[in-house]
Parts: sequence; C-alpha cells; structure tokens
Amino acid sequence: GQNIDQPTEMTATEGAIVQINCTYQTSGFNGLFWYQQHAGEAPTFLSYNVLDGLEEKGRFSSFLSRSKGYSYLLLKELQMKDSASYLCAVRDSNYQLIWGAGTKLIIKP
Amino acid sequence: GAVVSQHPSWVICKSGTSVKIECRSLDFQATTMFWYRQFPKQSLMLMATSNEGSKATYEQGVEKDKFLINHASLTLSTLTVTSAHPEDSSFYICSAREVALETGELFFGEGSRLTVL
Repeated sequence: GQNIDQPTEMTATEGAIVQINCTYQTSGFNGLFWYQQHAGEAPTFLSYNVLDGLEEKGRFSSFLSRSKGYSYLLLKELQMKDSASYLCAVRDSNYQLIWGAGTKLIIKP
Repeated sequence: GAVVSQHPSWVICKSGTSVKIECRSLDFQATTMFWYRQFPKQSLMLMATSNEGSKATYEQGVEKDKFLINHASLTLSTLTVTSAHPEDSSFYICSAREVALETGELFFGEGSRLTVL
C-alpha cells in the first residue's frame, strides 16, 4: 500500500530552527509537496521537490532524496505565526496526491 | 498565485436537510477540481475528483448519491451533501490545479465547516 509518515507533533522555540521529516512509500513518484495549514483554515502551498536536493525559499527549505523515499522541511528563524500543521504529500505514478497526516508544530516564546 | 474561492465558510443545518457548497476558480479555468473532507486532527481525505462536463470520480467508500458533485463550468464546482446527518459534520475543502504551472500544485478554497445538528 501507499504510505506517508511524518511526526504527529513537534515543539520548537521562537527564533530557532526546526526540521520536519517525511518518509514515503508510494506507487511511483512524480513530485513531493509541502503545505502549511493553520487551524481551521485550508492548506497553503509551501514547496515542491521533484529532483534530489535542496530547494530554498526564504526561511523555508525543502529537501528530497528519492532513493531513500525521504524529505524534510526546514524552517529557520521561527516565528509564532509558524505554529501550524505541515502536510507532506506525494504525487504517485497516476498523478494522485497521497497525503501524510500532518505534523503539528508548536512554537514557544 | 491562483485563487480558489469557496462558499459558504461555515454552515449549520438540521439533520435531514441538504447543503450546497460552491467552489470557484477566480482567475483561471479548472477542468478538474478536488473535494476533500477533513475531520479534527486528521489529514485531508479525498472524496472525489470533479471533472468539468462529466461525472465525478468518487473515492472508495464515498457515497455518490449522498455527496452530489456538479462541475457545470470551467470555474465552478458544487458539492451537495444530501440528507445530512451529524456524522457528516466536517471541514470540506475544494482545490483546483492550474495546469499552466509546471509544479501542478493545488490551490485550495477557504474550506467550509459543516455542522449538522
């Protein structure tokens, strides 16, 4: 079956750095997405990786290793507004999105 | 980026009534839209794929007669929850893909929170 694993919850301190990991086993691979979802709101797009390596976008970076079925989202200079759930999603060979359960990130002052 | 608008944002209804949720792509045409349901503290669950001008494709376990989807134009898809019951209370989210974008990322509507009394 298809499966995406990410930690349920993480806690970090304002101003610090946090890495949220995502491992996947899917039928084929056509890209990996990270979305941010604040409580009670719809997800918003953060990043997209289809080739191995690091994609940097401001305070957020996303890394992919296709051979390991592994990705991480790196958030730097954490701000209180970064408190949200972070969803990892993989597009499989049928171009269907497989969603992880999300990682709830709690930022403490 | 592309904008997807969803309406209403929240709705409370009595058990047995029907509720319609609209999803519009405001600045692009979406031949395909997706309807998700999300229960508290759970991930997104794809309910169905809405195709303009044709029947929707439902995921396994989703009752097509209960969750009616109509995609009458390239910018509008509707989800009607028929004869709603308390267990249908959830956060319903639509999304669309702007095909012109290489990444094929999804743009989400604001979501509709349904509470059935």
